[in-house]
Formats: sequence, structure tokens, C-alpha cells
Amino acid sequence: AQSVAQPEDQVNVAEGNPLTVKCTYSVSGNPYLFWYVQYPNRGLQFLLKYITGDNLVKGSYGFEAEFNKSQTSFHLKKPSALVSDSALYFCAVRDGGWGKLQFGAGTQVVVTP
Amino acid sequence: DVKVTQSSRYLVKRTGEKVFLECVQDMDHENMFWYRQDPGLGLRLIYFSYDVKMKEKGDIPEGYSVSREKKERFSLILESASTNQTSMYLCASSSTFGGLNTIYFGEGSWLTVV
Repeated sequence: AQSVAQPEDQVNVAEGNPLTVKCTYSVSGNPYLFWYVQYPNRGLQFLLKYITGDNLVKGSYGFEAEFNKSQTSFHLKKPSALVSDSALYFCAVRDGGWGKLQFGAGTQVVVTP
Repeated sequence: DVKVTQSSRYLVKRTGEKVFLECVQDMDHENMFWYRQDPGLGLRLIYFSYDVKMKEKGDIPEGYSVSREKKERFSLILESASTNQTSMYLCASSSTFGGLNTIYFGEGSWLTVV
């Protein structure tokens, strides 16, 4: 079965500093990887996805993610964090047909002014 | 924009009650999903449907059933609610064609079983 792991429960960063949220994956075959963000009491919003091609994927709200096949990682990054980026971030991998996704446990990002 | 609407945001139900969670999507998507979200566990798939009247079990189907009588509507049913089903429930949809199955989520339904 396909799976992803998010090794950090929480990431703390000061506003204006770079933000990185880590994700590693375990798949058979080619990985289709996704990042979602969840603001308090809201549903999940799609940020970006990697299917194939360029290892650096750009997404919404200034986020990008780097696919690294040798390290089986798909880390989410933002060059300069904002307080409004404080949210819960989920990494996910496509699992089988019909577009099912397997999600990581989530990483809480806290950006302090 | 894709819109996935969950009819109830907050519900409080008693143990043993039958509970219906309703979800409607407006993008003519073939696939619809019900996930459950719990702290530290991420999202876990309960059931999904890839066509009208078709359904498949996800990772944690026990205690739940689903109904998809129309393409745009996917209902989650708790036949006899229990306290361990207190959770956030998220409905989602995706297209089989194009976009490689990006899943779009509703706002979630917070269910408390007392």
C-alpha cells in the first residue's frame, strides 16, 4: 500500500523566515503526491501536486514543493512565511484507482510575528 | 471553482441514533469520498463511490454505510451512532478525467455523539 509520513507534529517559524514542512513517501511505482492545507474549522484546500516532470512544483499562496526520488521525499517550502500561513498541512499520496488519497498525520505550522 | 457542500457543519446526536451526513458537489464529478479526521491520525477513508449506486469500502468502513442515488449527492449514514464516532467528517469529490484526480473537499461536519 502507498503511504506518506510527516515526521514533525509541529513546526514553529518566525514571520519572514523560510518555512519547510517535511514529507516522505513509500510507494510501489510512480508516486503521485499532493499537499493540502487546513485552516481552523475548515475543510482541506489543495496547494499543489507532483505527477511527473520538473522536480520543483509551484503551487498556491507562494508555496512550492521539491520532489526528491533518491530520498523519497516531497517537502513543502515557502521562502518567507506569513502569520496567515499558520495552519495544519497534510501530505498525501494517490493510492490505487479512482483518485483515492492516503494522508499523513498532518503538521501544525505556527508562524509568530 | 469546485464547490463541495456539506449540509450540516455541527451536529450533536445521542448514542444509538441513526445519523445522516449529506454532501453535494456541483462539478459533475464521478468520484466522491467520505473521510474521517482525528487528531494525530490524519484523514482516513471511510467509503468512496466512483459512479451512481456504486460504492467501495475504504480503510475504516465499520459502523458506516453510504448512499449515492444521484451523481451529485453522496450520503454517509451512521446506523447506530456511538461515542467513538465523534469526529470531523469530510466529504470530497474528484473527476476521473483530466487533472489527475485532484480531490476537492467540503468544509467538514463536526459530529459529537453523547
